[in-house]
Amino acid sequence: QVQLVQSGGGVVQPGRSLKLSCVASGFTFGRYGMHWVRQAPGKGLEWLAVVSYGATHTYYADSVRGRFTISRDNSNNTLYLEMSSLRVEDTAVYYCAKVFGGNSFYYFDSWGQGTLVIVSS
Amino acid sequence: DIQMTQSPSSLSASVGDRVTITCRASQGISNNLAWYQQKPGKVPNLLIFAASTLQSGVPSRFSGSGSGTDFTLTISSLQPEDVATYYCQKYNSAPPLPFGGGTKVEIK
Repeated sequence: QVQLVQSGGGVVQPGRSLKLSCVASGFTFGRYGMHWVRQAPGKGLEWLAVVSYGATHTYYADSVRGRFTISRDNSNNTLYLEMSSLRVEDTAVYYCAKVFGGNSFYYFDSWGQGTLVIVSS
Repeated sequence: DIQMTQSPSSLSASVGDRVTITCRASQGISNNLAWYQQKPGKVPNLLIFAASTLQSGVPSRFSGSGSGTDFTLTISSLQPEDVATYYCQKYNSAPPLPFGGGTKVEIK
């Protein structure tokens, strides 16, 4: 069965960087677009970024463009989100998500367990 | 960019009630709409895609309808296990892929 296991969250000071990982299993990772979504405490879901199955295309939400970088290593079945210039408002649970089918912009049929990032001095 | 607006933001209903949640897109999105359920403290879970197609394993009391800009999620007979926040999301077009603001469903 599909599994997405996340790691890398924690407490970080404003302005610093942090890198999240999402290790996939149970499917052919390199055939699917992958996304990051976050949820601030008590708030709704916010789409952040997508990387195409071959890592040739990436897109970002305005709120993180220029600060966050989505990437993937298909040889190691791993998705990454590198976050820099972190702000207090980036505090959230971050989820990785797999799309259904071959279209990178399709709906999400599997989600990671989430990892909490707290940005605080 | 297309915006997704849900209403109401929260509702309280009795067990057995019919519950309807609406989602409106700021531009037409055909039937490229998904609904997710997020139970308290849990990961979101896909309920419906293509506006009206139930994901495997989802109880038949859930249904979706709509096309273009206006969509609905209906729970025909609310059950205690349906307490959750429900989100719509547009897909199958250029990013961003925004979610609606969510609808929190509680039992009266």
